Amino acid sequence: AQSVTQLDSHVSVSEGTPVLLRCNYSSSYSPSLFWYVQHPNKGLQLLLKYTSAATLVKGINGFEAEFKKSETSFHLTKPSAHMSDAAEYFCVVSGAGSGTYKYIFGTGTRLKVLA
Amino acid sequence: EPEVTQTPSHQVTQMGQEVILRCVPISNHLYFYWYRQILGQKVEFLVSFYNNEISEKSEIFDDQFSVERPDGSNFTLKIRSTKLEDSAMYFCASSGDLYEQYFGPGTRLTVT
Repeated sequence: AQSVTQLDSHVSVSEGTPVLLRCNYSSSYSPSLFWYVQHPNKGLQLLLKYTSAATLVKGINGFEAEFKKSETSFHLTKPSAHMSDAAEYFCVVSGAGSGTYKYIFGTGTRLKVLA
Repeated sequence: EPEVTQTPSHQVTQMGQEVILRCVPISNHLYFYWYRQILGQKVEFLVSFYNNEISEKSEIFDDQFSVERPDGSNFTLKIRSTKLEDSAMYFCASSGDLYEQYFGPGTRLTVT
């Protein structure tokens, strides 16, 4: 069975400081991993994805994530937070290759950016 | 850029009524999904659909729910007799390659 754990439900950072949103996964197969962002009253926007290519993945808006198999982690980072980054972030694991292709979402991390 | 669209954006219905949520997936995609997000909770998988049949469903997707692809473009989720606990945001997604899913903006369903 696959699962994903987002270690922080809320993260607050000051504008211009680094962002770290933590995600650990569990999977019996080589997983596909994604980060999605949801702004208030909006849909889900893909930030970046890992599908067994390069372990360091660059996404939109300056975000990146590193797949670490030894740590079963896929943490999301950004060097410098912007006010517009304030949103809910979801780490997602997909079972592609294991017979199921549904997305399994983490519980989300709400990022607050302080001026 | 192609996108998934959903209608309506907000649906209010009374308990016991039937609702149909509509989605137009990206045109060359073959795999379709419904997810829901109850307010304040995480996004949950409901059902996946491929080749005109359900390929996987969650325990949430009971007999009150059904999906259909009535024509070459629409993908619908029907709830036969809505309950208060069906109030949620419902997201449709489509995929062309089983890896990356593209999500629509969602339909907020409010059951009163």
